[in-house]
Amino acid sequence: NAGVTQTPKFQVLKTGQSMTLQCAQDMNHNSMYWYRQDPGMGLRLIYYSASEGTTDKGEVPNGYNVSRLNKREFSLRLESAAPSQTSVYFCASSEAQGFKNIQYFGAGTRLSVL
Amino acid sequence: GENVEQHPSTLSVQEGDSAVIKCTYSDSASNYFPWYKQELGKRPQLIIDIRSNVGEKKDQRIAVTLNKTAKHFSLHITETQPEDSAVYFCAASKISGGYQKVTFGIGTKLQVIP
Repeated sequence: NAGVTQTPKFQVLKTGQSMTLQCAQDMNHNSMYWYRQDPGMGLRLIYYSASEGTTDKGEVPNGYNVSRLNKREFSLRLESAAPSQTSVYFCASSEAQGFKNIQYFGAGTRLSVL
Repeated sequence: GENVEQHPSTLSVQEGDSAVIKCTYSDSASNYFPWYKQELGKRPQLIIDIRSNVGEKKDQRIAVTLNKTAKHFSLHITETQPEDSAVYFCAASKISGGYQKVTFGIGTKLQVIP
């Protein structure tokens, strides 16, 4: 089991460029998430997908779009990158088991927007 | 929505001493409280969790306590070791709209000085 796989690991963009961050999980989880991590700000939820076919905005969705391609894959797209989107991006997946909701994270994508 | 406050933001302790990280939450419907550890350059990983009907849980040198009335929960690490140096995130989780919503604290950077 690879768990949660994110690509790419690093990316440098110029302002206005677009890109898609890819995420795939092999744990058959229903829920998937995209977070950004900035110094002093913790993990902030961008978008989530509670199950295949559904997506919803999180705390900081502006400037992003997502696609839940199938149960395994959840991609994050930046249509016109801005310097404020320089961050480390984490994808995660989870499967609620009763009260538990353990999040399994990918290795992260370090994005710089110049 | 849920608000999770975490403090301190940074903590330095001598090897062998104890470390305590505290969190408060606002939503009384939250019923699951995980703690994640993120080593430098790595992904966050679950280290311990507690549910709302339990007051304390221990796993070797780490323990978590929960005061549901006061909406406080804390992580205790005893006999700290250099490998405990990391960023620790608390989180509060509840079921919302058929999906388990997780809100993270901003993180505490723990440094264990040899």
